[in-house]
Formats: sequence, C-alpha cells, structure tokens
Amino acid sequence: AQSVTQLGSHVSVSEGALVLLRCNYSSSVPPYLFWYVQYPNQGLQLLLKYTSAATLVKGINGFEAEFKKSETSFHLTKPSAHMSDAAEYFCAVSASGGYQKVTFGIGTKLQVIP
Amino acid sequence: ETGVTQSPTHLIKTRGQQVTLRCSSQSGHNTVSWYQQALGQGPQFIFQYYREEENGRGNFPPRFSGLQFPNYSSELNVNALELDDSALYLCASSDIRLAGEHEQYFGPGTRLTVT
Repeated sequence: AQSVTQLGSHVSVSEGALVLLRCNYSSSVPPYLFWYVQYPNQGLQLLLKYTSAATLVKGINGFEAEFKKSETSFHLTKPSAHMSDAAEYFCAVSASGGYQKVTFGIGTKLQVIP
Repeated sequence: ETGVTQSPTHLIKTRGQQVTLRCSSQSGHNTVSWYQQALGQGPQFIFQYYREEENGRGNFPPRFSGLQFPNYSSELNVNALELDDSALYLCASSDIRLAGEHEQYFGPGTRLTVT
C-alpha cells in the first residue's frame, strides 16, 4: 500500500520569500515520488520526479525537492516565490514494479502575496 | 509531439444517465490511466489500460468502465450517474515499457456536472 500526506492545505508566502511545501509518504516498496502543479481549470503538470537516482531533484520553474528516506519525506522548495507560482501543488507516489498507479495527496494551495 | 487531449471539456448530465468521456494519449504512449478529481481533492485512481485490457483498478464500482483502442486512445464510461460523480476526470498517458519511469502525462480534463 502507498500513500502521501501533504501538511497544510493552504500556504501563503510573500513574493520573493522561500516556498516550502511538505510531503510525507508511505510505501511498502521503494517509491517513485512526484510533484505536480495544477493551475485553475487545467490538468496536472509534472514539476519533478524522484526515481531512486539523486536524492536532490531539480525540476522546472526553479523548484526542487529532496528525498529523505529516514524521514519518509519529499518536501518541495523554491528559494524565491513569484506571483506566477500561485497554484495547487500535489505530491504523489507510485510503487516500483506492478502497474503504474499513482496515489496523490489532497493538494496544497499556494498563495503568493505581492 | 502531440500531448494528451480529452473531450468534451465540459458536460452536464442528469442523475441516472450514462456518460462517455474520451482521451487521446500522447504520441508513443501505450498506457492510459483515468483519475477522478472531486472539488478540493487530489486525483483518485480509477483504472489503467494497457494493450486494450484493464491493468489495475482503484476503489470504484463496476458502473465505471473503460475501453482502450488499438491506437491507444481510451474511453471512460459511467453508468447510472450519481450526484457524487460530479468531478474533473483526468486522463494520463505513459509508456509502460519504460521500466522505472512511472511518469504520466495528463490531459486538461473533462468537467462533469451531474444534476
């Protein structure tokens, strides 16, 4: 079984401030981890993914995430928030092997304050 | 390279009716997954199709069914619609031959409203 927990359904940051979105995962097998972004009335866009290579993963739009097995975490960060980062962010997990079922968290809505 | 497309973008149905949603996978992809995203929730896995057969299913009743065609496009059918079926339905395509990738490419979704 696999699951993810996103801490904080809403996060507000000032423009230029650090963005930190938290995600903890649970998986009985080595996981693949993802962060997706969803803008209003749109589908999901992949920001970055962890597939057991480097533990620090760099993605698009200046985002990065660090896989920490000891903490079962995969938090998403960005050094400086832009207004265009305002969106909903989903952490997701997929188990290695088997079919490609992806389990999503409930999402964190990021608000960027000018 | 053509991305994942879905049709229609919006539709409104009445409780008890049936609906068919369509998805064209990204060029080169052979696997299609369907997700239901209720308002304020994360996407929930419905099922996945590979080689025209169901290749895994989430916790959804049998009135949710699907098809995959030889060109890898797919349909999601929902019978006996209920009010709780109102949601954004997302289709995602991937290449199951890329072992260890599990990366799925999502379409823009179909917004279904059941009244």
